Amino acid sequence: GAVVSQHPSWVICKSGTSVKIECRSLDFQATTMFWYRQFPKQSLMLMATSNEGSKATYEQGVEKDKFLINHASLTLSTLTVTSAHPEDSSFYICSARAGGSDNQPQHFGDGTRLSIL
Amino acid sequence: DAKTTQPPSMDCAEGRAANLPCNHSTISGNEYVYWYRQIHSQGPQYIIHGLKNNETNEMASLIITEDRKSSTLILPHATLRDTAVYYCIVRVPISGNTPLVFGKGTRLSVIA
Repeated sequence: GAVVSQHPSWVICKSGTSVKIECRSLDFQATTMFWYRQFPKQSLMLMATSNEGSKATYEQGVEKDKFLINHASLTLSTLTVTSAHPEDSSFYICSARAGGSDNQPQHFGDGTRLSIL
Repeated sequence: DAKTTQPPSMDCAEGRAANLPCNHSTISGNEYVYWYRQIHSQGPQYIIHGLKNNETNEMASLIITEDRKSSTLILPHATLRDTAVYYCIVRVPISGNTPLVFGKGTRLSVIA
């Protein structure tokens, strides 16, 4: 089945550092990828929709200048958390939908746990 | 997209069937029902989806009522590895750009 790979799985870094998270669709092309964030004991919250070759669409309340999204190819989207602070510590998950009909399921990466000290 | 209502938690004995209910009384005619689960510290895993007919795959069965206002996910022989949060989501497949929106889900605990 469709596989979405995320890297890295864990990141621990100092406050003020910028962190890049990669999301790859391994066996399909994805013109659209989605980025979610999940805080402890909460559900997934959609952050943004990443479109290949164009600007991402951000959900209300998500700072586009802080969470930079680049979707340069049909198999790779990146999320960069710029000047990260402890409140940005969270579980970041990407997702993509394989081609075909629009009712196809979204497939998710295994997430990146970001800890800012 | 229509909202869903799920019980916050459920227990199930290992080896027994786990029946997870979901209410989606405001579902519209072209909305699909999707089920995902999230095991601790992992990304969500797709389980099954359907429109109005019952569906079955190697993981589970999805039973949708005739009026489509509710559905039940059935794990026929639950194992300890099925312990997870299960999400029921309804979505209109307008285009590939429409993301899944997650509610709080049901925390299923499979007990030995």
